Amino acid sequence: DTAVSQTPKYLVTQMGNDKSIKCEQNLGHDTMYWYKQDSKKFLKIMFSYNNKELIINETVPNRFSPKSPDKAHLNLHINSLELGDSAVYFCASSQRGQGATGELFFGEGSRLTVL
Amino acid sequence: AQSVTQLDSHVSVSEGTPVLLRCNYSSSYSPSLFWYVQHPNKGLQLLLKYTSAATLVKGINGFEAEFKKSETSFHLTKPSAHMSDAAEYFCVVSDRDTGFQKLVFGTGTRLLVSP
Repeated sequence: DTAVSQTPKYLVTQMGNDKSIKCEQNLGHDTMYWYKQDSKKFLKIMFSYNNKELIINETVPNRFSPKSPDKAHLNLHINSLELGDSAVYFCASSQRGQGATGELFFGEGSRLTVL
Repeated sequence: AQSVTQLDSHVSVSEGTPVLLRCNYSSSYSPSLFWYVQHPNKGLQLLLKYTSAATLVKGINGFEAEFKKSETSFHLTKPSAHMSDAAEYFCVVSDRDTGFQKLVFGTGTRLLVSP
């Protein structure tokens, strides 16, 4: 009954490989996000989707491609992995619209290590 | 543009003593402010939020924060620290300028609690 679940939790791969991280939320929210947390714990938004539509796209290399098949799922695909992509990637969800306050519900994170 | 500054990267307290984690914000419009906590290898959990109602906000686990517009501050306090409070704490702001869709995170404060 996890609210926001992401898989895999850990991912170790070689430079140049392509990998995906999946996220699902069962909260009925209409907006989902990907955040990146670097080694200094700094959290930065990467993407946001509202009802399967991309609404926030920060300055992220185009090797990163999010996909939202429906409003409960948001996946992140990364091509040609680089050392600097090593980080913890967090999926989150929220409810947009009238009365929205921006509260986010986070998954437990996916730790990506690129060797 | 909105931003938050967490004034201390680390705070050390003894168990049973008060906790003060400082946060200053900058926002063009009436902001929503949040404190999130992240325990080691876990996702972020909402501690409390301010959304233009009462300026003194009570959260989970005995934490509270006071919104002071004149000082642009939203400091987090707890009267008596517990060992389980040791974690990373993030102050977060969002505002109407982005439709509350883009949360901006502070750089985090690591709370260390000694016996």
